[in-house]
Amino acid sequence: AQKVTQAQTEISVVEKEDVTLDCVYETRDTTYYLFWYKQPPSGELVFLIRRNSFDEQNEISGRYSWNFQKSTSSFNFTITASQVVDSAVYFCALKNRDDKIIFGKGTRLHILP
Amino acid sequence: EPEVTQTPSHQVTQMGQEVILRCVPISNHLYFYWYRQILGQKVEFLVSFYNNEISEKSEIFDDQFSVERPDGSNFTLKIRSTKLEDSAMYFCASSEAQRVGAEAFFGQGTRLTVV
Repeated sequence: AQKVTQAQTEISVVEKEDVTLDCVYETRDTTYYLFWYKQPPSGELVFLIRRNSFDEQNEISGRYSWNFQKSTSSFNFTITASQVVDSAVYFCALKNRDDKIIFGKGTRLHILP
Repeated sequence: EPEVTQTPSHQVTQMGQEVILRCVPISNHLYFYWYRQILGQKVEFLVSFYNNEISEKSEIFDDQFSVERPDGSNFTLKIRSTKLEDSAMYFCASSEAQRVGAEAFFGQGTRLTVV
């Protein structure tokens, strides 16, 4: 079965704090991709990152970083020095040989000024 | 930058009415998708479409739903007789290829409210 679990339903942190959003996935396939999307209050889905199952290198993009650990089937997302504009719902997602993206339930992140 | 465009952004319809949600995918993309997000819940796959036919559909996509690519640019989702539980945000997406890692570009969504 394919599944994405985001155990944190809601997180609140004060601006400038670092925050990590957890994602654990399940799949039988050896070839798959993992994604993170941001959904701001306006509702659209904003693509953040794509990672393939053969590349376990961590990635950093500005204040964002991603930690892919195949051994624990996790793909965690860290925002460093958070800002109010980071407030949104963040979805982790999985795509394998099936022609569809499987989303987690999302983590609602509140950045407090 | 090319983008997927959805219209309308918000539609209110009475229960039992037919509704058509419209999408203009990115022009050189060949694979099209509809996803649904009930308020406060996760985004769920509805259907994928390629070469003028459905390639995969979920259990949500029952006989009340249909998709069509009526011309070279639009991709539509029709709900024949809307129910209250069809109220959701509907996202269209398109992809250049079907390979596992091909990025799907999402539209901004259509919020459907059934009253």
